[in-house]
Amino acid sequence: KQEVTQIPAALSVPEGENLVLNCSFTDSAIYNLQWFRQDPGKGLTSLLLIQSSQREQTSGRLNASLDKSSGRSTLYIAASQPGDSATYLCAVETSGSRLTFGEGTQLTVNP
Amino acid sequence: EAQVTQNPRYLITVTGKKLTVTCSQNMNHEYMSWYRQDPGLGLRQIYYSMNVEVTDKGDVPEGYKVSRKEKRNFPLILESPSPNQTSLYFCASLGRHYNEQFFGPGTRLTVL
Repeated sequence: KQEVTQIPAALSVPEGENLVLNCSFTDSAIYNLQWFRQDPGKGLTSLLLIQSSQREQTSGRLNASLDKSSGRSTLYIAASQPGDSATYLCAVETSGSRLTFGEGTQLTVNP
Repeated sequence: EAQVTQNPRYLITVTGKKLTVTCSQNMNHEYMSWYRQDPGLGLRQIYYSMNVEVTDKGDVPEGYKVSRKEKRNFPLILESPSPNQTSLYFCASLGRHYNEQFFGPGTRLTVL
């Protein structure tokens, strides 16, 4: 059974700092890996999706990498801003279009 | 605007009173699914549907039903809700472009 783990569970950084969020998964037979952002009381917003054949994806200040063989992904956020404060979720897609989620990293960026 | 909508957004009910949470998407997606989110357990899939009239169980289907009579709608039915079904529920649909999943805003359900 696929299991997804995110480290750290919570992170607090000063504004402007670069940071890395980590995601690991136990079964490397995935179709893709997706990073989401969730604001309190809100739904999930897709940030980046990496296909299993890809190594990384970039969108603005965000860069996500994927090492399928080792079961790891990282989300790099450059020059963090208070508006980046949210919970970041990692999810892997396996057969049947099913997503298995990690429990998330709660990020706080302090002004 | 491409979106997934859910109703109601908030619901407080009592044990045993049947309820339905609606989900609708306007992107003509074939695949739709329901998740529940609980502290310490993360998001877990309840049911999914690959297409009209095709549904299947996810990881935690007990106590739930779904139907998919038309492509755009995928309602979640709780025939006899119990307090352990108090949770935050999300509906999602799957896009053809890179298999990106789109999520609804969530329904916070409390069963007393």
